[in-house]
Amino acid sequence: EDKVVQSPLSLVVHEGDTVTLNCSYEVTNFRSLLWYKQEKKAPTFLFMLTSSGIEKKSGRLSSILDKKEFFSILNITATQTGDSAVYLCAVERGYKLVFGAGTILRVKS
Amino acid sequence: SQTIHQWPATLVQPVGSPLSLECTVEGTSNPNLYWYRQAAGRGLQLLFYSVGIGQISSEVPQNLSASRPQDRQFILSSKKLLLSDSGFYLCAWSGDAQITKSEAFFGQGTRLTVV
Repeated sequence: EDKVVQSPLSLVVHEGDTVTLNCSYEVTNFRSLLWYKQEKKAPTFLFMLTSSGIEKKSGRLSSILDKKEFFSILNITATQTGDSAVYLCAVERGYKLVFGAGTILRVKS
Repeated sequence: SQTIHQWPATLVQPVGSPLSLECTVEGTSNPNLYWYRQAAGRGLQLLFYSVGIGQISSEVPQNLSASRPQDRQFILSSKKLLLSDSGFYLCAWSGDAQITKSEAFFGQGTRLTVV
């Protein structure tokens, strides 16, 4: 059965801290891994990763995929209160995305 | 640009009542359409997907059904709601059957509470 596991389940940090969110997966016919940020309603797309070892970066956020070890990390540096959200990891399997349960991040000012 | 509309935003329905949630996409043609459900504290579970008009695939057996009467319209329905149908329902679209070529974009969601 396809499985995507995210850790930690929740995290509280202070503004300025750096956080690392983890996503491990067991999916047959892996194609890509995606990260989404969900604040209140619609998840918004952050990154799509298809190749191992290539870091994707957008501002203070970055992500990398390790296909040999079947995991990905999402880093957020110099966190801000606006980073507070649920971060979802999803793995593409054919026509669909298999989602993890998410990591709830709260950044305190 | 493409936009996705989903309504209503919140809904409170009694057990046994019918359900109809609607989702429409603008600015693209022949999108792949998806219905997901998110239970509290859980990830998104795919319920249905559609690659074209009248083509619906169901992922999990349940009390719900989906229809695609027009190219950019996707409807989630139930004849009789159960308490377990409560949750956050998200409609999504992508431009390609292979998500690697086009990530999924989500609507704002419908918070359904069955009482």
